[in-house]
Amino acid sequence: GQQLNQSPQSMFIQEGEDVSMNCTSSSIFNTWLWYKQDPGEGPVLLIALYKAGELTSNGRLTAQFGITRKDSFLNISASIPSDVGIYFCAGQPGGSNYKLTFGKGTLLTVNP
Amino acid sequence: DAGVIQSPRHEVTEMGQEVTLRCKPISGHNSLFWYRQTMMRGLELLIYFNNNVPIDDSGMPEDRFSAKMPNASFSTLKIQPSEPRDSAVYFCASSRQGSNQPQHFGDGTRLSIL
Repeated sequence: GQQLNQSPQSMFIQEGEDVSMNCTSSSIFNTWLWYKQDPGEGPVLLIALYKAGELTSNGRLTAQFGITRKDSFLNISASIPSDVGIYFCAGQPGGSNYKLTFGKGTLLTVNP
Repeated sequence: DAGVIQSPRHEVTEMGQEVTLRCKPISGHNSLFWYRQTMMRGLELLIYFNNNVPIDDSGMPEDRFSAKMPNASFSTLKIQPSEPRDSAVYFCASSRQGSNQPQHFGDGTRLSIL
């Protein structure tokens, strides 16, 4: 099946710093999604990307759909303590309007 | 608006017992998904329903697992008999039908099989 490599696995940063994480795939996706999961809760959708090359922002978050359709990145600018959590990328292959493959997640810790 | 509602939030039971997890999707959503999350394997899709009909159950690990959706507002995931390796967090998610419709997740059921 399709594999998603998400990196880094974890990050420890100081409040105010910028953060970048990315996902790469062995095959092409038609949709890239970024979710955040807080402890004891389900993943919450942050940003959805539907076209190769697309760059989308949601507040301090920016994500891009790679030109090759095999990668995506998420940037968080000026991090704050509430950014702490696990961030997941997810890809949806062509030919499916429901199946998502998830990365293993990036655990973000922000020191105030 | 109410999100996806799952119950129970936590379940601890002994191996061999039957476990039933419940899910109420968001009203108006006609696609429903059951996922399992573990440290080793991350989030895995178990089964997908569309309009109450199971469309893809290829992720269901084995015959001990079964899922039903008797109506548009309720689904169950059952494990019988349960085993320690079934311990995980189980999520239900729902979405509107069609492409580019985001999946909305419940807060999950943390299942521990002793």
